[in-house]
Amino acid sequence: NAGVTQTPKFRILKIGQSMTLQCAQDMNHNYMYWYRQDPGMGLKLIYYSVGAGITDKGEVPNGYNVSRSTTEDFPLRLELAAPSQTSVYFCASSYSGTGTLQVQHFGDGTRLSIL
Amino acid sequence: EDKVVQSPLSLVVHEGDTVTLNCSYEVTNFRSLLWYKQEKKAPTFLFMLTSSGIEKKSGRLSSILDKKELFSILNITATQTGDSAIYLCAAYNTNAGKSTFGDGTTLTVKP
Repeated sequence: NAGVTQTPKFRILKIGQSMTLQCAQDMNHNYMYWYRQDPGMGLKLIYYSVGAGITDKGEVPNGYNVSRSTTEDFPLRLELAAPSQTSVYFCASSYSGTGTLQVQHFGDGTRLSIL
Repeated sequence: EDKVVQSPLSLVVHEGDTVTLNCSYEVTNFRSLLWYKQEKKAPTFLFMLTSSGIEKKSGRLSSILDKKELFSILNITATQTGDSAIYLCAAYNTNAGKSTFGDGTTLTVKP
């Protein structure tokens, strides 16, 4: 009954460091998404993937990279951490298709601070 | 560029009040409008609307979509403190396979 699992839950980075946020889903969803949520704001799409081997940029992709080598995993990489990347990061997944297949299932988020 | 605007951005009411949250959208290849509730952690799904004029209802919450005027509303009657949350709406672009989210409405219900 895991759903979407994100690790780590919290992380503090120094400016210039790099790290990878992990996301895994066990629902066999083909679509996966990465969002960031700044205080008092909605969700901004960073990158998304419609299937293994396929990724595309969202609204705010600068400073991030992704890969999708398997259906289950969709890691998000920060190469040179900057204070502007301090945020809460959510990973989500869904099926393609019509009806409630489009509903996204979210992980619990990673709270990232860059100091 | 797809765009979703929610209003108001924040709202403070007392228990028992009725609230209406608004969501307007401009999305190419629009398929559906989704409402989510976010408490401490991850957003959770409330409603999905695809057809105009058909109300979706779940307990004290209801929602309706107007595809001609490009907006949706979420109503909550007899509010309770447990309704305090951020309510997010998202419009789904079927060709791109992604949703655009609004900035959310933060609802605070006081006892």
